[in-house]
Amino acid sequence: GAGVSQSPSNKVTEKGKDVELRCDPISGHTALYWYRQSLGQGLEFLIYFQGNSAPDKSGLPSDRFSAERTGGSVSTLTIQRTQQEDSAVYLCASSLDIRTGSGNTIYFGEGSWLTVV
Amino acid sequence: RKEVEQDPGPFNVPEGATVAFNCTYSNSASQSFFWYRQDCRKEPKLLMSVYSSGNEDGRFTAQLNRASQYISLLIRDSKLSDSATYLCVVNSETGGFKTIFGAGTRLFVKA
Repeated sequence: GAGVSQSPSNKVTEKGKDVELRCDPISGHTALYWYRQSLGQGLEFLIYFQGNSAPDKSGLPSDRFSAERTGGSVSTLTIQRTQQEDSAVYLCASSLDIRTGSGNTIYFGEGSWLTVV
Repeated sequence: RKEVEQDPGPFNVPEGATVAFNCTYSNSASQSFFWYRQDCRKEPKLLMSVYSSGNEDGRFTAQLNRASQYISLLIRDSKLSDSATYLCVVNSETGGFKTIFGAGTRLFVKA
């Protein structure tokens, strides 16, 4: 697609329910990232994928959080047994590949705004 | 110490002013650097890459000082539309890939 696409754009869920957030990266981008941002706070890195592989999962806040990516494209971030502190905007981003360099621009989606009530 | 640190601000400046932000990073092996801009309740968007020799894009100038491990962003002739949060971004591959975003510096430009 033209840009990073995320769904749902907004989600209100009850505490204890599971939620699944989806990210469709820019076509051809092999690297995909998930960040979380609470209101008025900075970006919190959660996880990245190079292809379908996630080498470092240490950024996930707890074992209630999991992410997968299949086919080197779409990724889903799943939060089980949601808690109120999970309320935040979950931002997905993609880049051509994981290698650093001034050409490796990261492009963000508009985010999935999650509210746990 | 945070890996990437920024003064959170806010910086309140009048239109037409020149304002500068610094961002320090702790990993001396960091390899690439960027400034992103984030408007309220919007996603971050790339403002500019930061090159070793320094680079300019219109009213915006970015500088890198590897010896002191900081990057800077200078905005000349501030516009109301420059009001936003400016995030510095540092990439490294030491011990595994890392892209670290600073917490951001808030800028308010007032008429």
